[in-house]
Order: sequence, then structure tokens, then C-alpha cells
Amino acid sequence: SQQGEEDPQALSIQEGENATMNCSYKTSINNLQWYRQNSGRGLVHLILIRSNEREKHSGRLRVTLDTSKKSSSLLITASRAADTASYFCATGLNAGNNRKLIWGLGTSLAVNP
Amino acid sequence: DVKVTQSSRYLVKRTGEKVFLECVQDMDHENMFWYRQDPGLGLRLIYFSYDVKMKEKGDIPEGYSVSREKKERFSLILESASTNQTSMYLCASRATGGARGYTFGSGTRLTIV
Repeated sequence: SQQGEEDPQALSIQEGENATMNCSYKTSINNLQWYRQNSGRGLVHLILIRSNEREKHSGRLRVTLDTSKKSSSLLITASRAADTASYFCATGLNAGNNRKLIWGLGTSLAVNP
Repeated sequence: DVKVTQSSRYLVKRTGEKVFLECVQDMDHENMFWYRQDPGLGLRLIYFSYDVKMKEKGDIPEGYSVSREKKERFSLILESASTNQTSMYLCASRATGGARGYTFGSGTRLTIV
């Protein structure tokens, strides 16, 4: 079953612009993770934010988490053509027993040169 | 560089064949996972394993089995391949303890004809 729902489903921007993707979920979580998938390849883990955190940064990535609204956003600043990919959020429900993630359907990002 | 390696990028098999998909990780991770990914359905968990010789069913285990005889290797078996098992198959691994991200392999695009 899908818990995370990404919004928008598709996003097209120009190089240098910022890209924002949102993820909503339904149940209480321990953590939320963002992954990137280039076309036809495996997923790459980008960033993990715990339920007691509100914001996290990694390079050009900024993730926020609002547990009261059950939502998260991923911001990619100063986008590059190489950022073109699908982005997925996944929620981990239990601390330490995070064997199973609940996945969203992804946002397809196109960064045009 | 840590890795999850899937034995084939592309595979074509015939209906009714027994198909083996192999996954090897070099990170000494306890947990390993098999997903399939289909357009519009996202990632769906087939099976996972949290220790050698241990396995648990995911969301869609029907028609599949798994084997984990060694910690580094997790095999997915299609007992009698059918055309509705044509899909992208993704293997992932994760260490136990705390909130952690998954490391994915590059995926196997399996076509059943």
C-alpha cells in the first residue's frame, strides 16, 4: 500500500531555478527519506529526516518535515541538468525496526539546460 | 565504494521458466530486500530478509520465493515465470539499528515472453 504521495507528479524547470517537491503521508512515522532515481537505474538515498527534526540540509538539498500536517518537502536549489530524475519519498514507521519502508509514487523532475 | 550488485541489467526469459535473480552486497548489512517497480504502481515489496536463512513476505510474494544462505547474497526466484512478472526488479540492503537509508542495486529489467 502507498502511504507517501508526492506532489507534483511532474515538474519541468530551467537550469538554475529551484525545484520543490512535496510528500504527504497518512500515519505516524519514525523517519522520512528521499531518494533519487535516474531513468532505468536503481534508487539513490539522498537524505533522511527523523520525526523529531524539522529541517535538514545536504549540499543543495533542503528537506523539511511537518509532522502536524504529515508532510515533507524537498527543495533542490540552483538546479542542474544532472538533477533530472524521479524523486521518491519513503516513510519508516518504527525506530530500529525500520525493515520496511512505505513508498510514494514519485515526482518526475526535468531540468532543461 | 559500498555496493549492491545485481547480476543482470537486462534479462529475457520464457513463460514457465524458473528464473533466478541474484543480489550481492559488500557492506555486511543484515537486512536485504527485493522490490519490483511498475509504472503507476511504484515500488512494491516482494520479500525481505533480516538475517541469514530468515525471510519475510512483503506485499506481493505470490509467484516468488527467496533464498538467503549467506549474509551477502539474497536471491529472488520466480518459480514459473509468467508475463505479468515482466518488470524492473530492485534489490536493496540496509544495516540494522536506528533510522538508516537503503542502498539499492542498479536493477534488473526482466522481460517474460
